[in-house]
Amino acid sequence: SQTIHQWPATLVQPVGSPLSLECTVEGTSNPNLYWYRQAAGRGLQLLFYSVGIGQISSEVPQNLSASRPQDRQFILSSKKLLLSDSGFYLCAWSRAGGRETQYFGPGTRLLVL
Amino acid sequence: AQKITQTQPGMFVQEKEAVTLDCTYDTSDPSYGLFWYKQPSSGEMIFLIYQGSYDQQNATEGRYSLNFQKARKSANLVISASQLGDSAMYFCAMRDFLVNFGNEKLTFGTGTRLTIIP
Repeated sequence: SQTIHQWPATLVQPVGSPLSLECTVEGTSNPNLYWYRQAAGRGLQLLFYSVGIGQISSEVPQNLSASRPQDRQFILSSKKLLLSDSGFYLCAWSRAGGRETQYFGPGTRLLVL
Repeated sequence: AQKITQTQPGMFVQEKEAVTLDCTYDTSDPSYGLFWYKQPSSGEMIFLIYQGSYDQQNATEGRYSLNFQKARKSANLVISASQLGDSAMYFCAMRDFLVNFGNEKLTFGTGTRLTIIP
């Protein structure tokens, strides 16, 4: 069966510091990978998605970037965090194809102070 | 543009009763998918059920069923015989398959917080 991992689970960072959140998937090959952000009390907003190694699509312009150095690894980064970057970050995967369900990881709670 | 509306910010339901969570959507795409996810306090988004726009029958998964009314553009989630463990946030989401082909974006509603009362 497939599993998706995210770390860290919780992170408190000062404004202006760098960020690196990691997501890995097990039990599948060539998955589509996604990064979502959820602000407090809100729905999810897609930030990035990737259909293959080195292929990143960005949904919204922002202070963040994403990379996919390996088939089942997806990284969310920032060079300098802003207060507005605080939120709950969820990674998801789906099988390649147009109509597949997305399955989410446990998430990372980020607080920027 | 895709839009998902969940008009019930919160609901309280007695244990063992059935509950319906409302979801309406708007899209110009004739081919799309509708999803329901459950988010307990731990934060993880748990996939519950899927309905395709061309599916002839309403989707069911155990105690979950989706009341799909295409003409009304509604996709309500029905939970039968509610349990205390059903207390969580519930999100409706959709994806267009043709208009935004290749775009994997799921559009989410703002969610409904369901509380089951013992």
